[in-house]
Amino acid sequence: SAVISQKPSRDICQRGTSLTIQCQVDSQVTMMFWYRQQPGQSLTLIATANQGSEATYESGFVIDKFPISRPNLTFSTLTVSNMSPEDSSIYLCSVDPGLGQPQHFGDGTRLSIL
Amino acid sequence: KNQVEQSPQSLIILEGKNCTLQCNYTVSPFSNLRWYKQDTGRGPVSLTIMTFSENTKSNGRYTATLDADTKQSSLHITASQLSDSASYICVVSEADSWGKLQFGAGTQVVVTP
Repeated sequence: SAVISQKPSRDICQRGTSLTIQCQVDSQVTMMFWYRQQPGQSLTLIATANQGSEATYESGFVIDKFPISRPNLTFSTLTVSNMSPEDSSIYLCSVDPGLGQPQHFGDGTRLSIL
Repeated sequence: KNQVEQSPQSLIILEGKNCTLQCNYTVSPFSNLRWYKQDTGRGPVSLTIMTFSENTKSNGRYTATLDADTKQSSLHITASQLSDSASYICVVSEADSWGKLQFGAGTQVVVTP
């Protein structure tokens, strides 16, 4: 199964700043996903990132706030821009290995905004 | 309205006992249903995945059932261990929307000695 590494694992940031989260996979995958998980709640899909194309954002999420890069088949970044306390959350990336296998998740980035 | 509803929201069980978690969904068209375990501070890890034609699937002490007619699933944990303390998330995949998942809110299980 795919091994996913996310960096940083946690961070505390100042209001108005931006943070870029990295997601590295140990194998080539077509589809990568970025999720947000607010405290005590389930996961919410932010966007789908396919290599070679623009990310597809879900309702309520926009590229200006959450720009995503997908430069190759093993790496993606999510930037949380102009952060406010409401952005305090866990951000997770996942990959779809295909062949009917379930999505694999990274351990997430725990973000706190002061 | 969430298309995947889980119950109970949380439960506490004694080590060695069994428990059953419930999941009802309205996602349609249905592709498959997954149960994930999420330990505190970690990402979700897949326990089982079932398609329309599968009624039961086991993974060690975890047994999932699926009734696609009533759109219900359950996850049974046998002889619980302290390491079973986690959030268990029911996730349903829509057909014709490859990769897009609908998540339940999870059931928080606490196993006490």
